[in-house]
Amino acid sequence: ELKVEQNPLFLSMQEGKNYTIYCNYSTTSDRLYWYRQDPGKSLESLFVLLSNGAVKQEGRLMASLDTKARLSTLHITAAVHDLSATYFCAGDQGAQKLVFGQGTRLTINP
Amino acid sequence: DTGVSQNPRHKITKRGQNVTFRCDPISEHNRLYWYRQTLGQGPEFLTYFQNEAQLEKSRLLSDRFSAERPKGSFSTLEIQRTEQGDSAMYLCASSYSGAEAFFGQGTRLTVV
Repeated sequence: ELKVEQNPLFLSMQEGKNYTIYCNYSTTSDRLYWYRQDPGKSLESLFVLLSNGAVKQEGRLMASLDTKARLSTLHITAAVHDLSATYFCAGDQGAQKLVFGQGTRLTINP
Repeated sequence: DTGVSQNPRHKITKRGQNVTFRCDPISEHNRLYWYRQTLGQGPEFLTYFQNEAQLEKSRLLSDRFSAERPKGSFSTLEIQRTEQGDSAMYLCASSYSGAEAFFGQGTRLTVV
């Protein structure tokens, strides 16, 4: 059974700083997803990582996947307040049935 | 196409009542998924359909829960005899086989 763990669960950081969110998963996953969720809202897809060594970047966010270590990271560069949200990683246990981590609540302070 | 649509967006119900939610997937998406998200947690998989066939149900889906997708288009999720523990956001997602799933805005259920 696929299990997904994120850390940290809470992250408070200053604007302009860099930080990384880690996502470990327990068994083989077809794909690894990263989502953003604002309070009371649904999930916004950020990245889909398909293979070992995959790296994707969008603006100040960069995601990577190491399938051998069963680890994905979401790196935030020079954080800005607009990036404050909860970030989820999710593994795919087949047929796009997703198993989500607990989420990382990110707060970026001026 | 405006994406995955869920109705209602909010539902408040008394304990013991039945509720039904609807999900309209993206056109031509043959797979439809239901997830439940409680406060402060990640979404949890409930069930999914390929066309009209319900292919898998999670252990979380007690016998008070039933989902249908009668013509392979929209889906409904019914909860009978609601309990306070059913209070959550119910999310629907759809995909075309092998491709990424897209989520709707969710239905927030509050059982009082």
